[in-house]
Amino acid sequence: GAVVSQHPSWVICKSGTSVKIECRSLDFQATTMFWYRQFPKQSLMLMATSNEGSKATYEQGVEKDKFLINHASLTLSTLTVTSAHPEDSSFYICSTVRTGTNYGYTFGSGTRLTVV
Amino acid sequence: DAKTTQPPSMDCAEGRAANLPCNHSTISGNEYVYWYRQIHSQGPQYIIHGLKNNETNEMASLIITEDRKSSTLILPHATLRDTAVYYCIVRPHSGGSNYKLTFGKGTLLTVNP
Repeated sequence: GAVVSQHPSWVICKSGTSVKIECRSLDFQATTMFWYRQFPKQSLMLMATSNEGSKATYEQGVEKDKFLINHASLTLSTLTVTSAHPEDSSFYICSTVRTGTNYGYTFGSGTRLTVV
Repeated sequence: DAKTTQPPSMDCAEGRAANLPCNHSTISGNEYVYWYRQIHSQGPQYIIHGLKNNETNEMASLIITEDRKSSTLILPHATLRDTAVYYCIVRPHSGGSNYKLTFGKGTLLTVNP
């Protein structure tokens, strides 16, 4: 299957600062990546769909100006949480999708963000 | 999107078979059943998928009822490392790269020694 690298695995930041999370597709060119957020004891919630070379598509209720997504290359998508607040503390997970395969979704290992 | 219903939790003894049910009564003809699992604090991991025939791979078996309204994931010999949340998801197989994968609440399987 595909290999997805997500960094950092955890990060602690102060309120008001910005944090960037990287998601890399290591073995194929991913034109589409997805970003999820997961609060404790809850399921994954899709935040946005990241498309290489174009603007991301955000799910309803997700602030695009707060969660900046950049997909400038076929192997890298970044999620920047701007002006982070404690309520942004969560587990963020990216995934790639590989068309033409039966089980095209591969997930990163996730990033635990704690805003203090 | 067709929705799925899973029990919130199940227990299984180590070495025994774990049978995880999933109801998807509104599944469409072109939708596949996918199973993923998420071990604590990790990203989800693909397990298996199927359309209407039973499927088996090195990880698990998938039994889909003839009317396709429900399915069962079978872990034949559960180990402690199989403790995870298991998600049953239905989606079109040919949905294109932009098709979203929607997660329900899943089943927390706890394998006990």
